[in-house]
Amino acid sequence: DAKTTQPTSMDCAEGRAANLPCNHSTISGNEYVYWYRQIHSQGPQYIIHGLKNNETNEMASLIITEDRKSSTLILPHATLRDTAVYYCIDQGAQKLVFGQGTRLTINP
Amino acid sequence: GAGVSQSPSNKVTEKGKDVELRCDPISGHTALYWYRQRLGQGLEFLIYFQGNSAPDKSGLPSDRFSAERTGESVSTLTIQRTQQEDSAVYLCASSLVRGLPGNTIYFGEGSWLTVV
Repeated sequence: DAKTTQPTSMDCAEGRAANLPCNHSTISGNEYVYWYRQIHSQGPQYIIHGLKNNETNEMASLIITEDRKSSTLILPHATLRDTAVYYCIDQGAQKLVFGQGTRLTINP
Repeated sequence: GAGVSQSPSNKVTEKGKDVELRCDPISGHTALYWYRQRLGQGLEFLIYFQGNSAPDKSGLPSDRFSAERTGESVSTLTIQRTQQEDSAVYLCASSLVRGLPGNTIYFGEGSWLTVV
C-alpha cells in the first residue's frame, strides 16, 4: 500500500503557481521523496526527488519540511500541458508504490 | 535508445490467446520493473528484476502471468490464456541499480492490451 496521502484533485489557473501537497508521515531516514506525473495514461514521467533539502530543476521545485513528514511540489508557472495526475512517493530500496495521486487541472 | 522502449504499443487479442510484451530498458540499467494499470485505475506493481533474476514477483496476479529477462537487458512479460480482465496498459520501467534509495526509476510509454 502507498504510504503517502495527497488531495484527490486540485485546480489551478494557467500562468499561476501550482502547489501540490503531500503527507508522508511514515517516511524513514533513508527514503527519498519522489514526484512523478502521468498524462492520459502515458508512462509516468519523473519530475523531481529529494531527501532533506529543497530541490529545484527545470520542471519544478520541491519543498520538504524539516521533519520530512510532508512536502510540496511547486510548478511555478502552470500551463495547460501540466494537467495530469501527480504522484508523491516515498522511495526506499526497491520498487515504487503508487497511490492514487492528485489530479491537477490547469484552467485557461 | 535514450529511454525505456516497449513493444507492441498496442495489442488486441482474443480471449484465451497468449500474448508477449517486450521491454528494452535504458542501456546499463540493471533493475527492471513491470507495472499494470487498468483504465482509470492506479499503477499495480507486478514484478521486479535485478539483472536476470526476479527477487520480487509478489505482484503477479496469477500463474497465467510470467516474466523473464535475458542478458541483463530485454524483458518479456507473458500472459497465457488471456482474460478480459487482463485488458490494461502494461508499463515497464528501469533504474541504474537496485537497492539504492535515490535511484531514479524511468518508465516506458506502455503496451496497451485489449482482450476481446
